[in-house]
Amino acid sequence: AQKITQTQPGMFVQEKEAVTLDCTYDTSDQSYGLFWYKQPSSGEMIFLIYQGSYDEQNATEGRYSLNFQKARKSANLVISASQLGDSAMYFCAMRVPPGDDKIIFGKGTRLHILP
Amino acid sequence: SAVISQKPSRDICQRGTSLTIQCQVDSQVTMMFWYRQQPGQSLTLIATANQGSEATYESGFVIDKFPISRPNLTFSTLTVSNMSPEDSSIYLCSVDRRGTEAFFGQGTRLTVV
Repeated sequence: AQKITQTQPGMFVQEKEAVTLDCTYDTSDQSYGLFWYKQPSSGEMIFLIYQGSYDEQNATEGRYSLNFQKARKSANLVISASQLGDSAMYFCAMRVPPGDDKIIFGKGTRLHILP
Repeated sequence: SAVISQKPSRDICQRGTSLTIQCQVDSQVTMMFWYRQQPGQSLTLIATANQGSEATYESGFVIDKFPISRPNLTFSTLTVSNMSPEDSSIYLCSVDRRGTEAFFGQGTRLTVV
């Protein structure tokens, strides 16, 4: 069965430092997609970045990059130059097509950026 | 990015009553998804809604408790029926475009008293 594991329930990081949020996944399918979302205290889910299993390069979106290590089934999110506004809950998620486009989520990591 | 308008954003409801949550998308999408996020927890998929067919429910969720409508390719509703305090959660709708982007509505924060 597919599974997403986030082992860091909470993290405290100094402002302007880089942050790595860990995510490992488990699937027997060759084709899958990995997502990261940010959820601030308002409750909305903000899409950050996507990595396809066949993508050879790591995905990047502004200050966000995804460190994709396929053999290790790892998809860590890296946030460069953290800001106070980055304080939020972060979820790693996975979709496993075909025929089943639902997305499953990890338990999340709460990130606190310290001034 | 897709624009998804979800309402209400929050509500406080009496136990035993029902609440209908609406999601409007700014473009046509094949599938819409409904999630529940219980306090302090991750997101759990309730059901997948295709236009023109009955919704597909995940294990632990039933149509009588969470009826879903999908009258067209841009709109869906989720009803939380006969509510109890255990239904207090954030409910979110989601759409998936091009397979590489999955967007969420703003969420409905429900409190049942």
